[in-house]
Amino acid sequence: EVQLQQSGAELVRPGTSVKLSCKVSGDTITAYYMHFVKQRPGQGLEWIGRIDPEDDSTKYAEKFKNKATLTADTSSNTAYLKLSSLTSEDTATYFCTTLTGSSADYWGQGVMVTVSS
Amino acid sequence: DIVMTQGALPNPVPSGESVSITCRSSKSLLYSDGKTYLNWYLQRPGQSPQLLIYWMSTRASGVSDRFSGSGSGTDFTLKISGVEAEDVGVYYCQQGLEFPRTFGAGTKLELK
Repeated sequence: EVQLQQSGAELVRPGTSVKLSCKVSGDTITAYYMHFVKQRPGQGLEWIGRIDPEDDSTKYAEKFKNKATLTADTSSNTAYLKLSSLTSEDTATYFCTTLTGSSADYWGQGVMVTVSS
Repeated sequence: DIVMTQGALPNPVPSGESVSITCRSSKSLLYSDGKTYLNWYLQRPGQSPQLLIYWMSTRASGVSDRFSGSGSGTDFTLKISGVEAEDVGVYYCQQGLEFPRTFGAGTKLELK
């Protein structure tokens, strides 16, 4: 059974950065493109971007190009999302997902990031 | 970017009633391989989204046959035949044709 295990909740100061992890178990991470999705409190789902762990190629939504950085470590089967220059607008739950739109569609449990001084 | 527009439900819905959720895309999601890249997700309260339907009408593994998807290249419907308590949550349509991937704003289902 494939599982995506995300790191724990974060409370961070405005202007700083945070790096979130998403560990894949039950399969090799290179079998999937890894996507990250943002959900602000009480709001809908917003696609941030995706990484191909095979070659580290990435695609981002335009609004996240200067905010988010996706990386992957095949040796630990883990994908990462780094968010920089944090503001209150970045307070949200962040999900990692394979987003395959097929029977291999898996989601992490989500991680809450709170930006507050 | 492809814009996904979802309709609302007349909440709350009586248990056992059948409902349809609509979704419209600003561009056809029909690809040259014959598949329509439209997915439906359910996000139950406090949970991660769960895939219900992919390729517009294919049920994901383990999903109840009370859920069915249909549509054309730009207009889609998710039908729930006989809503149950476990169906409560927010339903999202999502296009998988182009980057950036985009979601509808969500349709909330509440039970009476």
